[in-house]
Amino acid sequence: DVKVTQSSRYLVKRTGEKVFLECVQDMDHENMFWYRQDPGLGLRLIYFSYDVKMKEKGDIPEGYSVSREKKERFSLILESASTNQTSMYLCASSLSASGYTDTQYFGPGTRLTVL
Amino acid sequence: AQSVTQPDIHITVSEGASLELRCNYSYGATPYLFWYVQSPGQGLQLLLKYFSGDTLVQGIKGFEAEFKRSQSSFNLRKPSVHWSDAAEYFCAVGVQGAQKLVFGQGTRLTINP
Repeated sequence: DVKVTQSSRYLVKRTGEKVFLECVQDMDHENMFWYRQDPGLGLRLIYFSYDVKMKEKGDIPEGYSVSREKKERFSLILESASTNQTSMYLCASSLSASGYTDTQYFGPGTRLTVL
Repeated sequence: AQSVTQPDIHITVSEGASLELRCNYSYGATPYLFWYVQSPGQGLQLLLKYFSGDTLVQGIKGFEAEFKRSQSSFNLRKPSVHWSDAAEYFCAVGVQGAQKLVFGQGTRLTINP
């Protein structure tokens, strides 16, 4: 089974802090994704990466950055956390670089609260 | 722009009853369509997907979905729901040029005993 793990299930941070969310997949997948999930808005894509050191902006990249130094690990960075970034963050991976046809495998999510 | 609409935010059905969750998409080309389920406290899991061919697609957990091009719909069905089907369900369309999925808002399913 594909396993996608996220470093924390719950996280509480203060406004202005730098926040790192880590995601690791164990199936040698090419593609990795970061989404945020908000009630009534579904999932919105923040960034994705189709290869090591490669990244592409999603629909809502403002206020976020990402890092992919190793194939299995994809980090989401909030440079200066703000209260409007309080949300559920989901990481996903897919086997090939085809982000629109492949099955995506999701981690359990990190619920981030920014005070 | 590509979009997915799930008109029902919340649906309640009795255990053993049939279920249909609605999904409408807007996409100019041949759509790649998906249904995912998110059980409480968990990530999303793929139920089924449609790329081409037979417009009735079978998935896991007894779910099926029917693609209707003329109605731009991809509704999810199950003939008899179980209490374990209580979850949030997301429809998504694959966007070829952008190499990504666009998700609907989700439908939360509650099962009455």
